[in-house]
Amino acid sequence: ETGVTQTPRHLVMGMTNKKSLKCEQHLGHNAMYWYKQSAKKPLELMFVYSLEERVENNSVPSRFSPECPNSSHLFLHLHTLQPEDSALYLCASSQAGQGRYEQYFGPGTRLTVT
Amino acid sequence: KQEVTQIPAALSVPEGENLVLNCSFTDSAIYNLQWFRQDPGKGLTSLLLIQSSQREQTSGRLNASLDKSSGRSTLYIAASQPGDSATYLCAVFYSGYALNFGKGTSLLVTP
Repeated sequence: ETGVTQTPRHLVMGMTNKKSLKCEQHLGHNAMYWYKQSAKKPLELMFVYSLEERVENNSVPSRFSPECPNSSHLFLHLHTLQPEDSALYLCASSQAGQGRYEQYFGPGTRLTVT
Repeated sequence: KQEVTQIPAALSVPEGENLVLNCSFTDSAIYNLQWFRQDPGKGLTSLLLIQSSQREQTSGRLNASLDKSSGRSTLYIAASQPGDSATYLCAVFYSGYALNFGKGTSLLVTP
């Protein structure tokens, strides 16, 4: 595997389910990001981990819970989501150093909440 | 709030044409600007990164320019091909970690 991978690529879940999105980067980076892309809206940054510490949390509801066990892996745990949470969730990685370095994105997980 | 605007929202051109995509930003104190390509249902592919001290960057048929004083960047695509059809996103970095994205320009290149 090369670059940034995400699994699953598609996910349909009910509002009472619990699921997790997984991201893995094979680029030797030490910063990882979760973004949300909704229709007709710009990408929104959700969380940032740098050197395995969470350094940014952009007022994301607590039903989204990130986890970064090491610099190569990032998870987004989901529970009791709402239909408006349906979106494309993108993971990205870069060298640490705030946003100075180029970010590389994964293919995304298309989430549908029913 | 730092706004990033991309015009036009959609563009259709015949194959072979040269074209320009526009990106404007409200705050000129940027650190860098990045252009991405996104194919339908897919993630983002980085095309070009321009540091605030640079005026332009080139990669193959792509050329991106940056004019901080006027708050503008352009992405020039030479000799467009049907494979260039995608959404092109502009993202501006100021500080911290967040990239500020525009809504994108959807490009269709017809054979």
